[in-house]
Amino acid sequence: ILNVEQSPQSLHVQEGDSTNFTCSFPSSNFYALHWYRWETAKSPEALFVMTLNGDEKKKGQISATLNTKEGYSYLYIKGSQPEDSATYLCAFKWRGAAGNKLTFGGGTRVLVKP
Amino acid sequence: DTAVSQTPKYLVTQMGNDKSIKCEQNLGHDTMYWYKQDSKKFLKIMFSYNNKELIINETVPNRFSPKSPDKAHLNLHINSLELGDSAVYFCASSQDGSASYEQYFGPGTRLTVT
Repeated sequence: ILNVEQSPQSLHVQEGDSTNFTCSFPSSNFYALHWYRWETAKSPEALFVMTLNGDEKKKGQISATLNTKEGYSYLYIKGSQPEDSATYLCAFKWRGAAGNKLTFGGGTRVLVKP
Repeated sequence: DTAVSQTPKYLVTQMGNDKSIKCEQNLGHDTMYWYKQDSKKFLKIMFSYNNKELIINETVPNRFSPKSPDKAHLNLHINSLELGDSAVYFCASSQDGSASYEQYFGPGTRLTVT
């Protein structure tokens, strides 16, 4: 069983502050890591797909890094705004997995307080 | 235009009934998926189709049967509904089945079995 763990499960951030959180995954047979942003009452939206060790991706004030050798990815939010409040999901694809199976973590729920 | 659409959005039905959920994508993607959001809010893959061919069939009761009439549609039929089938079901699509591309999710169908 592949475990994808995200920590913390939830965090509160003051508007304007920066924050980061972690996705941990098995370090062997890595294929791809996805990050999704999931607002309440909506559906998950893709942020990044990362495939290479050392990858860094950025979208606006959100960025992500990837370390496949040690099995973790960080997501950073710089200068958090209330609209950044959402659950952030990571999903891992193992090279041995059938087809395109992604295993999702439980998410980090971010609440940005004005 | 909605990229991935699901109908119905809400479905309330009694135990023992048979029901279907429909999914359509207008993105020209080759691959479509069904996910179940379980009681702990995790997204779990159920099925994946690539160009109408079944790629992933997770350990799902055979009361659940996906049908893909063409690559833009993936429907989910559930026979003899049980209380434990109550959940939110998400359809998704991606450009191909390699996991190198992000997945686009539908709005979800909340199924309640009474």
